[in-house]
Amino acid sequence: DAKTTQPTSMDCAEGRAANLPCNHSTISGNEYVYWYRQIHSQGPQYIIHGLKNNETNEMASLIITEDRKSSTLILPHATLRDTAVYYCIVRAAPNSGYSTLTFGKGTMLLVSP
Amino acid sequence: KAGVTQTPRYLIKTRGQQVTLSCSPISGHRSVSWYQQTPGQGLQFLFEYFSETQRNKGNFPGRFSGRQFSNSRSEMNVSTLELGDSALYLCASSFDRQETQYFGPGTRLLVL
Repeated sequence: DAKTTQPTSMDCAEGRAANLPCNHSTISGNEYVYWYRQIHSQGPQYIIHGLKNNETNEMASLIITEDRKSSTLILPHATLRDTAVYYCIVRAAPNSGYSTLTFGKGTMLLVSP
Repeated sequence: KAGVTQTPRYLIKTRGQQVTLSCSPISGHRSVSWYQQTPGQGLQFLFEYFSETQRNKGNFPGRFSGRQFSNSRSEMNVSTLELGDSALYLCASSFDRQETQYFGPGTRLLVL
């Protein structure tokens, strides 16, 4: 799996947009970018994933650069409950036979009042 | 639809004992993966089961084993527990092997 690089920590004011970057410069053409978050001592929560196009769901938006070497997770209106560790994961291609998630250290997002 | 459930949620064991953890996947999901999370090593993949067969295994000693039943429920077993096995054990399920994995709340194991 391609390796990802994320900032160790970020701060965001409540109500503002949180933009979490992820670098995955060695990603292969058919590997997906997944985002999960983990609130302290809970199981990771799936947020969103994408291949090439930008994606949006009720939780967040995912912006993937045209060269696919980096992506940004956007939480449009951060709340205190969004305080968590956010993991950016590059997942092996569907036909690779390898389906595990390889977690890095993630970004600790602290949302403050 | 109910999420992934794991039992027990908390467990205290002593060195040398063995432990069995259980995971019930989301209804209809056929793939179950297990992960170990410790402060020092982070989240690490243990093994994956699909159709009652182990499909992938992480870099863990043979003391760690698992199985999957015909209803997709899974168990993992750790024998001869060591202090370093203290961790949060997470189970994740997906409809198929390549589909999105959804995690349970985890079982927190403390080995004394």
